[in-house]
Amino acid sequence: KAGVTQTPRYLIKTRGQQVTLSCSPISGHRSVSWYQQTPGQGLQFLFEYFSETQRNKGNFPGRFSGRQFSNSRSEMNVSTLELGDSALYLCASSWHYGAMDGYTFGSGTRLTVV
Amino acid sequence: AQSVSQHNHHVILSEAASLELGCNYSYGGTVNLFWYVQYPGQHLQLLLKYFSGDPLVKGIKGFEAEFIKSKFSFNLRKPSVQWSDTAEYFCAVNAPTGAVGGNEKLTFGTGTRLTIIP
Repeated sequence: KAGVTQTPRYLIKTRGQQVTLSCSPISGHRSVSWYQQTPGQGLQFLFEYFSETQRNKGNFPGRFSGRQFSNSRSEMNVSTLELGDSALYLCASSWHYGAMDGYTFGSGTRLTVV
Repeated sequence: AQSVSQHNHHVILSEAASLELGCNYSYGGTVNLFWYVQYPGQHLQLLLKYFSGDPLVKGIKGFEAEFIKSKFSFNLRKPSVQWSDTAEYFCAVNAPTGAVGGNEKLTFGTGTRLTIIP
């Protein structure tokens, strides 16, 4: 079965711009979570969506937002980009919310803000 | 809310050596525990998980982990490592749905980079 697909793989944006990242979960998975991975902070939880509803949210500013569509695909948006937003953004999907059955991760989108 | 500590940031071992990576969590209630691995250039993969039952959990590629509730620990072990085990290892924890004071979100440790010397 196809894995978790994230697009694009790489992005370079300028400070102040906005960006939208996409995630297609494994077929049948209804939960999608997003993480930010940086060398200094490790994996930081952004939010989790289940059946189009945001179920959980991490401690990130309101510039970070997301949504989930009826086919479980998810997007996250970062507005007014800052240099510190440069990171690998990971998407993970699972059957249930709360990672009860473990996550399957995508390869990530590497965002560089210049 | 829960938190996770991985005290070993970088571990270097020779092939065939035994491995133990430490993981301690902070949360007073019932937890679910996970170990993930990220091989160079690859995505995070689940190594093993503990929800309940036998505290000794066996995972893929010969890895195992032991949940010691009294020590709030979930250390990862492998009796004999191989060069192909070179990777970054992440411990993660969450509280089951409905757990009082807990959070379903999966909280990760900062990771341990493992380098195996042939």
